[in-house]
Amino acid sequence: EVQLVESGGGLVQPGGSLRLSCVASGFTFSSHWMSWVRQAPGKGLEWVANIKHDGSEKFYVDSVKGRFTISRDNTKNSLYLQMNSLRAEDTAVYYCARNGRTGDCWGQGTLVTVSS
Amino acid sequence: EIVMTQSPATLSVSPGERATLSCRASQSISSDLAWYQQKPGQAPRLLITGASSRATGVPARFSGSGSGTEFSLTISSLQSEDSAVYYCQQYNNWPPLTFGGGTKVEIK
Repeated sequence: EVQLVESGGGLVQPGGSLRLSCVASGFTFSSHWMSWVRQAPGKGLEWVANIKHDGSEKFYVDSVKGRFTISRDNTKNSLYLQMNSLRAEDTAVYYCARNGRTGDCWGQGTLVTVSS
Repeated sequence: EIVMTQSPATLSVSPGERATLSCRASQSISSDLAWYQQKPGQAPRLLITGASSRATGVPARFSGSGSGTEFSLTISSLQSEDSAVYYCQQYNNWPPLTFGGGTKVEIK
């Protein structure tokens, strides 16, 4: 069974940092692009970043460029999102999704709350 | 950036009736469009890619159509379990990948 499990969310003050993780199982992780998508409370979906299967290409939405870094460790079947200089508007549930353009499998999400 | 606009915001349909959701792109995206279903408290689920190809396990009552800038998702005979928010997403011209604002389907 294909499974994605996110962790690392929590409450952080504005300007702070968090590192999200997503552990994959049930498929060949190293063969797939992976993505992060977020959803602010009561709002729609927003694509955040994606990364090529070998980590050689990474893309970001403009609002997180220079603050967030997507990475992966194929030896650990893991995807990461390092989030720095967090802002209130980054408050959201963060999902990891398999594939780079359309997410055909999603994790359950991890909530990030940026507040003082 | 390609802007995706969905209508209506909310659709109320009786069980067994047809529901048609619309999605418009601000410029042509060929057939590079996906549809997702999201139920309360759950992650999105992929329904359609390539504007009209159902994902694995998606019931045949869900169908997608369109190309260019105008797209639609049709639920041919609405079931109670279809109550959800539906999102369209373009993947033709990116970054960024962009989603529509969603259509909430309610059961009358």
